[in-house]
Amino acid sequence: DVKVTQSSRYLVKRTGEKVFLECVQDMDHENMFWYRQDPGLGLRLIYFSYDVKMKEKGDIPEGYSVSREKKERFSLILESASTNQTSMYLCASSPTAGQGKSEQYFGPGTRLTVT
Amino acid sequence: AQKITQTQPGMFVQEKEAVTLDCTYDTSDPSYGLFWYKQPSSGEMIFLIYQGSYDQQNATEGRYSLNFQKARKSANLVISASQLGDSAMYFCAMREDNTGNQFYFGTGTSLTVIP
Repeated sequence: DVKVTQSSRYLVKRTGEKVFLECVQDMDHENMFWYRQDPGLGLRLIYFSYDVKMKEKGDIPEGYSVSREKKERFSLILESASTNQTSMYLCASSPTAGQGKSEQYFGPGTRLTVT
Repeated sequence: AQKITQTQPGMFVQEKEAVTLDCTYDTSDPSYGLFWYKQPSSGEMIFLIYQGSYDQQNATEGRYSLNFQKARKSANLVISASQLGDSAMYFCAMREDNTGNQFYFGTGTSLTVIP
């Protein structure tokens, strides 16, 4: 079974802190994604990566950066956390499109609260 | 323009009845995949069903079926014989095969099954 793990289920940080959210997948997937989920807005893509050291901005990259030094690990970084970044953060991975259905597999999510 | 539109923020269904959750999509890519995910209150995203744009038949997975109407660009999820455990958020998503590996999600439909 594909497994996507996230470093924390719940996280509370103070405004201005640097925050690291870690995601690891064990299925050798090329693609990894970071989303935030807010009520009524669905899932919004922050960044995704299709290969090691490669990254693409999604719909809402402002205030975030990412790092992918190894294929299995994709980190989301909040350089200076703000209260409007309080949200649920979901990590996902998928094989390259064209390899069958290539659905996304999701981690359990990290609920981040910035106070 | 929205790539994925889910127009039903909330739906109710009687236990053992069937329910249809609507999804329309917008793409000019001739090759794409359509996905439905379930998100229970615990937060994990569970893949339910996939439909490829070239698939001739509607996809089915147990009690889930996808009513795929390509000309109308709709991909409605049908859940038959609803169970209490079907109460959850449901998200429709699309991946365009020729324009990268990004997934586009709708805003979701909250389904409540009434005993």
